This record gives sequence, C-alpha cells and structure tokens, in this order.
Amino acid sequence: QQQVKQSPQSLIVQKGGISIINCAYENTAFDYFPWYQQFPGKGPALLIAIRPDVSEKKEGRFTISFNKSAKQFSLHIMDSQPGDSATYFCAASMNTGFQKLVFGTGTRLLVSP
Amino acid sequence: GAVVSQHPSRVICKSGTSVKIECRSLDFQATTMFWYRQFPKQSLMLMATSNEGSKATYEQGVEKDKFLINHASLTLSTLTVTSAHPEDSSFYICSAFRDTQYFGPGTRLTVL
Repeated sequence: QQQVKQSPQSLIVQKGGISIINCAYENTAFDYFPWYQQFPGKGPALLIAIRPDVSEKKEGRFTISFNKSAKQFSLHIMDSQPGDSATYFCAASMNTGFQKLVFGTGTRLLVSP
Repeated sequence: GAVVSQHPSRVICKSGTSVKIECRSLDFQATTMFWYRQFPKQSLMLMATSNEGSKATYEQGVEKDKFLINHASLTLSTLTVTSAHPEDSSFYICSAFRDTQYFGPGTRLTVL
C-alpha cells in the first residue's frame, strides 16, 4: 500500500514534443505529490508538486495532472528540450513531505535534438 | 534559498574502515533530515529519518549499528558508515525538511 508505481521506465521524445510520465498510488492518506528531476551524479531537485485539492498545476513547461478518484497523477513536459534529458521520479507522502517520501521507480527521459 | 550541501562529494576507502558523510542545510534550520541510498539506475531508498537532538529512526532492514546517524544541530546531520565493505558502495543522498524536503547533491562512496 506504500508503493508508488511509475511508468514508463524510459522514454524517448523528439525536441519540441510532449513528454508524459504516469504514476499511481494506493494509500489514500497520501496528500502531497512531488516530482523530482535528477541528472547523473546529482541529487534530485524538486520540479513541481501538487496536493489533492486541485486537479492540475502548471509551472512553466511542467504540468501535473491529478486524478484523485483513480489515484493517479502524471507529469507533462511541454516543448521538451534536450536539456530536459534526465531521470524523473514521482513521489508521495503524508503531511507535505514531513513524513517520509515514497518514491516511484523513475523514468529515464531522453529528448532527441 | 533552501540549499543543502553534502561533504564529501566523493570518497574512496578501504574495506573495514569507517566513513563520515556530512549533510548541512546552509540557509535554513532543519529539525528533520533524511538519509537515502541510491544504487545505479534505481530509485531512492530511505534509510533513516534524523531528528535534531534525538535518536534517528531507521527503516526496516537498515542496520543502525552500521549506519550511525547523528543530528547534533539544526543545520548538520552526519552519516557514518562503519566497517565499510564493497557492498556498501553506493550514492548516499540527504534531504532537509523546511516546507518540503530539499535534497543535497549526494555523496558517491566506493569501498575497495
């Protein structure tokens, strides 16, 4: 019940295209859903996060869509750029991350020039 | 704001020695810090939650006597890998909680 399932495992998108990564969870007590971007050899950096009281949040080219009834959330990267090539992790926690984060398995995104 | 640093960034040690990794919140105070471990091409695995002034809470399967955590101040937590062995080689990442968890840049540990 503590798992967060993430797909796809890897993704190749052409420059300018839309990258979509999906996550699903079981624990309805989760109330904080962040997405992290990680470059090789670096720590993860918070990209964008959402709470279940809204269905969508947009920050620049990054959008989270949240479906509470389906217990699913997704990250959309619009106008994908080669610099977006990285590993993306979804996560979930209770109490805004003060509680431990449960991470998805990660998606390796490659944006081709 | 919300910068977290780790030191060292890379360390190579011989089997049987101990290694200390520092995690600092540079511009904020953090009563709670977290330590993660990440193997190549895998996700982050939480090892322990570190609370200032109290004992760390370890996740199931993590040896508390092998991975010693000390959170002596509101800006510093340390992870000591005792009697390190090659299987302890990994990428260790800390995070510090303010309004959310902010992650450090990680420490690559290689045990020969």
